Amino acid sequence: EAQVTQNPRYLITVTGKKLTVTCSQNMNHEYMSWYRQDPGLGLRQIYYSMNVEVTDKGDVPEGYKVSRKEKRNFPLILESPSPNQTSLYFCASSLPPHGRDEQYFGPGTRLTVT
Amino acid sequence: AQSVTQPDIHITVSEGASLELRCNYSYGATPYLFWYVQSPGQGLQLLLKYFSGDTLVQGIKGFEAEFKRSQSSFNLRKPSVHWSDAAEYFCAVNTGTASKLTFGTGTRLQVTL
Repeated sequence: EAQVTQNPRYLITVTGKKLTVTCSQNMNHEYMSWYRQDPGLGLRQIYYSMNVEVTDKGDVPEGYKVSRKEKRNFPLILESPSPNQTSLYFCASSLPPHGRDEQYFGPGTRLTVT
Repeated sequence: AQSVTQPDIHITVSEGASLELRCNYSYGATPYLFWYVQSPGQGLQLLLKYFSGDTLVQGIKGFEAEFKRSQSSFNLRKPSVHWSDAAEYFCAVNTGTASKLTFGTGTRLQVTL
């Protein structure tokens, strides 16, 4: 089944404790992206990757890191999480970045930072 | 930079009634336009998309949307709403630059029986 998977689905952590949210897709998509969803703000892009070893900042990259060493995986790293990073996170992927193609979303990771 | 406005934060309709969710975008040219639905506790699912051609597009679950260039709008419609349509709906635009989707703030649909 074609899908985007994220782990963990739920995470509660404390301020400053490094964490990684994994994202994997099995559709051989070149483009992958991370979004965060906050009430009243919709989804905002954190980082995106056009292909292996090619990443760039989205609209809200502060406090986050990413890497793209393999085509299928695009982990999101929070090196020192803070409470304002409490949010619902989505990973997405799509075919070659022509804009018109549908982005496929993972099920989301709900992160709480205390 | 492009932007998307969904003016209705929350809409309540009765089951069987018609539905229209509004979406306006700001961009100098015609962007690629999308509607996604997010059911409670779920990820986002594409309902439909528009990038050229016929301005009335059909999607899944009986939804349709009409692109109106003169109004910079891409409103989502459904003739008869079902209780299972209760969800949050997001309009999004992509100007073709790095596949960046810009989302509206969403409209939460409540369906009363």
